[in-house]
Amino acid sequence: QKEVEQDPGPLSVPEGAIVSLNCTYSNSAFQYFMWYRQYSRKGPELLMYTYSSGNKEDGRFTAQVDKSSKYISLFIRDSQPSDSATYLCATYYNQGGKLIFGQGTELSVKP
Amino acid sequence: KAGVTQTPRYLIKTRGQQVTLSCSPISGHRSVSWYQQTPGQGLQFLFEYFSETQRNKGNFPGRFSGRQFSNSRSEMNVSTLELGDSALYLCASSPLGALGDTQYFGPGTRLTVL
Repeated sequence: QKEVEQDPGPLSVPEGAIVSLNCTYSNSAFQYFMWYRQYSRKGPELLMYTYSSGNKEDGRFTAQVDKSSKYISLFIRDSQPSDSATYLCATYYNQGGKLIFGQGTELSVKP
Repeated sequence: KAGVTQTPRYLIKTRGQQVTLSCSPISGHRSVSWYQQTPGQGLQFLFEYFSETQRNKGNFPGRFSGRQFSNSRSEMNVSTLELGDSALYLCASSPLGALGDTQYFGPGTRLTVL
């Protein structure tokens, strides 16, 4: 079993839709959770960062962590074609410097 | 501040050759981590350097090595290239590489092995 599991998609939605992206993780000791966005031929860029459980909102993006079920989510409201990218969930291993990534979900938002 | 830079952006090599990739971290960042990204395996951690010392290492063969210089710039080397080494190699920098530090990624080096 991978330490972080993510449905690779692809996921295609119409413009304006609410998008839900999800990951599960296996180790209850994980505390820091991140969502990165990666456009084609680019490096990943940090989108959202949460510590422990709860919700965090930034504009159209909401990150949610449920530690009881080891489930992390990213919601995108009013999705735009410019949101079309691969979204990667990540967490820190039990030490710094090393991130563990999910497989990435490829999202396409159609005009 | 300038972001993380990686050179070269694209490389084509043949099996058996070796390759060196370079990464310049964000100014002031002392930790540099390297990752390999492939369609099948996703993003996998290679190693992390801090103050010229390798602190963490992923599950890759010894053909993959790296080093860090006193100015925090880092290089990674792959010897005896195999077809399966074709991938996007990403480096990321963070201030201290501490648990919870944000990692900032460069654009990557696309390596193709023929």
